[in-house]
Amino acid sequence: QQQVKQSPQSLIVQKGGIPIINCAYENTAFDYFPWYQQFPGKGPALLIAIRPDVSEKKEGRFTISFNKSAKQFSLHIMDSQPGDSATYFCAARLGSARQLTFGSGTQLTVLP
Amino acid sequence: NAGVTQTPKFQVLKTGQSMTLQCAQDMNHEYMSWYRQDPGMGLRLIHYSVGAGITDQGEVPNGYNVSRSTTEDFPLRLLSAAPSQTSVYFCASRTAGSGANVLTFGAGSRLTVL
Repeated sequence: QQQVKQSPQSLIVQKGGIPIINCAYENTAFDYFPWYQQFPGKGPALLIAIRPDVSEKKEGRFTISFNKSAKQFSLHIMDSQPGDSATYFCAARLGSARQLTFGSGTQLTVLP
Repeated sequence: NAGVTQTPKFQVLKTGQSMTLQCAQDMNHEYMSWYRQDPGMGLRLIHYSVGAGITDQGEVPNGYNVSRSTTEDFPLRLLSAAPSQTSVYFCASRTAGSGANVLTFGAGSRLTVL
């Protein structure tokens, strides 16, 4: 049972492009939506996060867009760089238990 | 400050063997957890603990055992390894306080079961 669906599975863009990764969820009780970034051979690390009462959040070149009515959220990377090449996971947290449910991951490659 | 330390980084087992993946954190985090990462499946929660002496099952607990005798350590035991347990395992921890939203992961342990 996949509660958070992530797409695409892989994504290749040119340097300077704007990759977009999408996630959809079903459970309206989720109250916190983080994105994690994972480089090869490393553990995931928190990149950026949003709460459902906010429609957009920016941190540097990374932006989360959140559509509560559609139960969807997405990650945009502005002016992407080869150093952004990594696997990105969206996640959702069920408030009371504070457990994170992760999406299946997107492997991003930014070509120089 | 080491964060979350996992050992070993790599391990090869034969079907039926048992082993323990070690996880230690030095951040005094109350919450610790184990995830497995498989291609196309994302990160799935195996077991978690909200404090010493307290453990609970996650999404995929079968075949794994955990204990939490100290705040710092949270070992994951494979009782009788199966090829389906070939995966990359991540330990993660967080505080129960104001930083409860930030999960800190270890570097992972890659396990192959033949």
